[in-house]
Amino acid sequence: DSGVTQTPKHLITATGQRVTLRCSPRSGDLSVYWYQQSLDQGLQFLIQYYNGEERAKGNILERFSAQQFPDLHSELNLSSLELGDSALYFCASSAGTVTGELFFGEGSRLTVL
Amino acid sequence: TQLLEQSPQFLSIQEGENLTVYCNSSSVFSSLQWYRQEPGEGPVLLVTVVTGGEVKKLKRLTFQFGDARKDSSLHITAAQPGDTGLYLCAGNAGNNRKLIWGLGTSLAVNP
Repeated sequence: DSGVTQTPKHLITATGQRVTLRCSPRSGDLSVYWYQQSLDQGLQFLIQYYNGEERAKGNILERFSAQQFPDLHSELNLSSLELGDSALYFCASSAGTVTGELFFGEGSRLTVL
Repeated sequence: TQLLEQSPQFLSIQEGENLTVYCNSSSVFSSLQWYRQEPGEGPVLLVTVVTGGEVKKLKRLTFQFGDARKDSSLHITAAQPGDTGLYLCAGNAGNNRKLIWGLGTSLAVNP
């Protein structure tokens, strides 16, 4: 158990819809990272938050947005969903801003039909 | 664009065999991490290597960072079914903001 909690574990929705994925980091960790994992592209970094503020941005689409709340949990919002958005979405946390050891949640599997 | 290439992409071996998987790049990394991911779970950190030429051992797993800090290898001795999983390498480019990930080596160890 990494200490990182993600919900929901599975999500099936239709094209054009909007979903929200939730992540609670390990106790004490201030950084939260969101990743997308698909078979053909591997782990793709989406975005990092540190103590409520955006720290780094990766290959995150404009249809996607995220935020980190004062209690340090984070949400990833995916809108106008397309078939190609079907993937595993992982949240990871770390203690500081420097990308050291990442602790990953179990992921949210999104299926867009 | 910095890339990390992992090889082989897939590997299926019998219990007790030895194997080596590779992580290569044309870029220099300040550090490199190896993770193992099992089905239905997130990646779990195995080791971080920092110094060129560094060798780290974790039981039957031996990790090496290339002298030029552009490549790394993972050697498993006497593989066991519990070693089955996706092995991912991730390099820190030095900006300390994000890791560069390889696509992984999917290892299956058959009893």
